Amino acid sequence: KNQVEQSPQSLIILEGKNCTLQCNYTVSPFSNLRWYKQDTGRGPVSLTIMTFSENTKSNGRYTATLDADTKQSSLHITASQLSDSASYICVVSFNFGNEKLTFGTGTRLTIIP
Amino acid sequence: KAGVTQTPRYLIKTRGQQVTLSCSPISGHRSVSWYQQTPGQGLQFLFEYFSETQRNKGNFPGRFSGRQFSNSRSEMNVSTLELGDSALYLCASSFGSGIYQEETQYFGPGTRLLVL
Repeated sequence: KNQVEQSPQSLIILEGKNCTLQCNYTVSPFSNLRWYKQDTGRGPVSLTIMTFSENTKSNGRYTATLDADTKQSSLHITASQLSDSASYICVVSFNFGNEKLTFGTGTRLTIIP
Repeated sequence: KAGVTQTPRYLIKTRGQQVTLSCSPISGHRSVSWYQQTPGQGLQFLFEYFSETQRNKGNFPGRFSGRQFSNSRSEMNVSTLELGDSALYLCASSFGSGIYQEETQYFGPGTRLLVL
């Protein structure tokens, strides 16, 4: 079982709508949790980085939240645009003597006009 | 400021051959890390170099190796290619506090390798 699970696997929403992507993890405690956006055929782009002690981090229309009790992180996208169509990847970094980088399998988001 | 560049962008090899991929980091960045991305396994960490030394390593066989030069440019080598090595190989650079720290990594466009 993957230590970082993302849901849904894919999502289709209308332009202008909001959406929320989920990342559930079992690695705990961890150093930081990152969200990346990856356009088709391109490398990932960093959206947010949160440490274990942070609850929320925003980057424009992207807001990531973290609930350490339920071991969940969410990425909320507001007022979606066609350019938001991409894969979104959650990455958990564990750095306490036994360093480990664990990637989620991603959520494929499609925005339709 | 130029971004991370990777060459070549596309590559076709046959089983048993070896391949070398190149990555030029953003100017001033001293850390370069490499990742493999496949549809089945997603993104996986290969290794990280800092100041010409391998600082961290993922769970890949010894056929995968790398090095970093004094100008921070890095190369990755895969020997005795297997069909399963077909993937997008991404490199990322950062100033240098490390892949496990809260430092933004900047990814290149990747090299797509097809092994026949």
